[in-house]
Amino acid sequence: SYELTQPPSVSVSPGQTASITCSGDKLEDKFVTWYQQKSGQSPVLVMYQDEKRPSGIPERFSGSNSGDTATLTISGTQDMDEADYYCQTWDSSTAVVFGGGTKLTVL
Amino acid sequence: QAQLVQSGAEVKKPGSSVRVSCKPSGGTFSSYTISWVRQAPGQGLEWMGKIISSLDITNYAQKFQGRVTITADKSTSTAYMELSSLRSEDTAVYYCARTTELAGSTSFDSWGQGTQVTVSS
Repeated sequence: SYELTQPPSVSVSPGQTASITCSGDKLEDKFVTWYQQKSGQSPVLVMYQDEKRPSGIPERFSGSNSGDTATLTISGTQDMDEADYYCQTWDSSTAVVFGGGTKLTVL
Repeated sequence: QAQLVQSGAEVKKPGSSVRVSCKPSGGTFSSYTISWVRQAPGQGLEWMGKIISSLDITNYAQKFQGRVTITADKSTSTAYMELSSLRSEDTAVYYCARTTELAGSTSFDSWGQGTQVTVSS
């Protein structure tokens, strides 16, 4: 079965750049989607097809996917960006698969 | 963007079944694909399955095959997820999500508010 691996936690200072990675075998051959989930809330789509931002998502969010790693980058991180972030893809053997999630702390 | 409204919290006994509903607050269901995703306490997201409402076609995660049934009632624009043979490990928040499948990409672009299901004797 296909697996996606994320670091459990990432810390960033306000105004700095946060990078959250998501690793999987030949991940660049698949599309990666990212979700933000704040405490006690439902997930929100923040990136799809590797690098496309849904309407309403700030420009400071960007995405990339190369080799075995996809990355969600948050430039000029704000306190409101503190949340859990999940990557997700689709694989023929597993169907939909999520990464384990990364807790982003803005210190 | 359609808002999805789910049914309320449930407390169930081990071995029983639970059914959770999901309805868009605006618009009709006929053209939606709806997925169900669950999240156990302190854990990550887990996809359970989906239904293509217009075609009544379902696809389930292997882990839940035989235990989950996803249906859609087009007359009431409501989707349902029923999970049977409940055990304590099924205690989780269950979400419905509108699913967009495009050019090999799957994304969940609108989520319900979540339904807490607690399995306890």
